[in-house]
Amino acid sequence: QQQVKQSPQSLIVQKGGISIINCAYENTAFDYFPWYQQFPGKGPALLIAIRPDVSEKKEGRFTISFNKSAKQFSLHIMDSQPGDSATYFCAARLNSNSGYALNFGKGTSLLVTP
Amino acid sequence: NAGVMQNPRHLVRRRGQEARLRCSPVKGHSHVYWYRQLPEEGLKFMVYLQKENIIDESGMPKERFSAEFPKEGPSILRIQQVVRGDSAAYFCASSRQGRTDTQYFGPGTRLTVL
Repeated sequence: QQQVKQSPQSLIVQKGGISIINCAYENTAFDYFPWYQQFPGKGPALLIAIRPDVSEKKEGRFTISFNKSAKQFSLHIMDSQPGDSATYFCAARLNSNSGYALNFGKGTSLLVTP
Repeated sequence: NAGVMQNPRHLVRRRGQEARLRCSPVKGHSHVYWYRQLPEEGLKFMVYLQKENIIDESGMPKERFSAEFPKEGPSILRIQQVVRGDSAAYFCASSRQGRTDTQYFGPGTRLTVL
């Protein structure tokens, strides 16, 4: 059972464009939503994360938008660059004493063309 | 400032053999998490360990899989009598503290079962 649904599966964006990746969840007990970036042959690296008490968080060209009522969150990559080409995973973690496991989406393969 | 280290990076085993995957956490981190990534899938939580203790193994298959994190040395994920379905990338993550802390991922071990 996939607790976090991610779309699209793949995305092609021209250099300088905006890349948008969406995630949705059902469990309202999730309280931490990170995004990870993974290059081929490497492990996932934390990109940016948000908690549900804010609706937006920006770090450089990367922005998370969070809609608590819709149970959706998205990653926006502004001015996308070829070096951003990677697989992006959203994740969610439970708000409980046993909530240490990250629940990942299936990933989005992003290709930024020159 | 070494990150999470995993070895081997690639492991080939024949059906029925044993696979041992090693993970050295970031220096100073005492919490280790193992995840499995099947092709075209996101990462799935397997087990969470602190030094000498298994905290949560709810994501581990009931048979053939075991994990440990001894007082000295790396964490080990052991798969006995491997089958083709065990072929996957296995990632280890570590954190300094528990649930609320950021998890830092290693580069993974890619297991191929022939």
